Amino acid sequence: DGGITQSPKYLFRKEGQNVTLSCEQNLNHDAMYWYRQDPGQGLRLIYYSQIVNDFQKGDIAEGYSVSREKKESFPLTVTSAQKNPTAFYLCATRSPGGNNEQFFGPGTRLTVL
Amino acid sequence: GDSVTQMEGPVTLSEEAFLTINCTYTATGYPSLFWYVQYPGEGLQLLLKATKADDKGSNKGFEATYRKETTSFHLEKGSVQVSDSAVYFCALRGIQGAQKLVFGQGTRLTINP
Repeated sequence: DGGITQSPKYLFRKEGQNVTLSCEQNLNHDAMYWYRQDPGQGLRLIYYSQIVNDFQKGDIAEGYSVSREKKESFPLTVTSAQKNPTAFYLCATRSPGGNNEQFFGPGTRLTVL
Repeated sequence: GDSVTQMEGPVTLSEEAFLTINCTYTATGYPSLFWYVQYPGEGLQLLLKATKADDKGSNKGFEATYRKETTSFHLEKGSVQVSDSAVYFCALRGIQGAQKLVFGQGTRLTINP
C-alpha cells in the first residue's frame, strides 16, 4: 500500500524544546517537501529535497532543520529558534517526469505549550 | 514573484447549489495550475489540474478552465453535496523553480443539507 506516513498526528511540546516530525514514503519518489499551514493561510514551503543528501531552504526555513539520509525519509526538526512553531505541518513528495504531481501526507499538528 | 489569490471565505451553500470559487494568479509565462482539497484533519488531495491555456481540468463534478487572458482558474461545480464540505486551495507551479508549488490562502466551503 503506497503512500506517505507522518507521525504522530498530534504532538505537544514545551516551549524551548526541539522536536522532530517524521515523514516516510514508499512511493520511490526522489523529491520531498515540508510545508507549514496556519489558519486562514495557504501552505508555505519550509524545506525541500530533490535527492538524497541534498536539500534547499524554502520560503520560511528559519528555525527549522532537515536531513535526507535515505530516499524514504525526510524528517523535520522544529528548533527552539522558531518563534511561532504551533501549526499544522504537511510533508509531500513529487512524482518524477512530466506528470510532476505532488502527493501529501496526512499532516502533524504541533502545539507548543 | 509568483502568487495566487483566492476568493475569501468562508463560503456556505445549501445542497444542490451552484459553486464558484475564484482564483487568479500572477506568474511568468505559462504556469501549471491546480486545485487541491483538504478534508478536516487530513492532508491535501489533488482535485484537478490544467497545464496549458484553455485546458479544462475536471474531477468528481468539479471543473476549472485555465484562462490566460484573465490569469484565472476558477473552480465550479453545478450541484454541491454535503460531502464537498472542505477547504479548497488553488496553486500554481511556475516555469522557474519548477519544483515548488505556490498556494492561495484556501477557501473553506460548508454545504448545509
